[in-house]
Amino acid sequence: EVQLVESGGGLVQPGGSLRLSCAASGFTFSSYDMHWVRQATGKGLEWVSAIGTAGDTYYPGSVKGRFTISRENAKNSLYLQMNSLRAGDTAVYYCARVKRFWSGPHYYYGMDVWGQGTTVTVSS
Amino acid sequence: DIQMTQSPSTLSASVGDRVTITCRASQSISSWLAWYQQKPGKAPKLLIYKASSLESGVPSRFSGSGSGTEFTLTISSLQPDDFATYYCQQYNNWTFGQGTKVEIK
Repeated sequence: EVQLVESGGGLVQPGGSLRLSCAASGFTFSSYDMHWVRQATGKGLEWVSAIGTAGDTYYPGSVKGRFTISRENAKNSLYLQMNSLRAGDTAVYYCARVKRFWSGPHYYYGMDVWGQGTTVTVSS
Repeated sequence: DIQMTQSPSTLSASVGDRVTITCRASQSISSWLAWYQQKPGKAPKLLIYKASSLESGVPSRFSGSGSGTEFTLTISSLQPDDFATYYCQQYNNWTFGQGTKVEIK
């Protein structure tokens, strides 16, 4: 069964750090781009970071310089190191696999497998 | 950055209704758009990629159209399982729309 399982969420004080993990199973992890997406309670989805199969990384301005995405293919694992956390970072964090669909001459994408989410609460 | 705007924010409909949700991009994104369905407490589910291509296993009552800056998601005959929140996403910089909640009328 194709599966993603997040862990590492919890309560952290403002300015603190937390490392999220995402364990992948049932597919060739190293062949897929992976993302983190978050959702504050009652709010919409917000893209947080991405890592390509070659280890290239991408971030929106809201987390750039504070968050670091990484992967360890030998362990089928994705990580998100979050530093200098703020109250606004409080959310459920999902990891997601990106499926590439070929439709010549371009690839198109969709996040086709998601984890169940892990909750991060930043509060004093 | 490209911004995505969905309308309406909330939509009240009945089982059997035809439902259309609109997503507008602040600049052209060709067909680089996906649609997701999310139910409360659950992770999103991919419905549509490439603006109009149905993901495997998704019922054919769902369809997508559009290119450039204006896109639509249509549910041809709303079913009880379809009451949920729907999001568009462009994959130039992976921005989501703010979501459209489809609720029971």
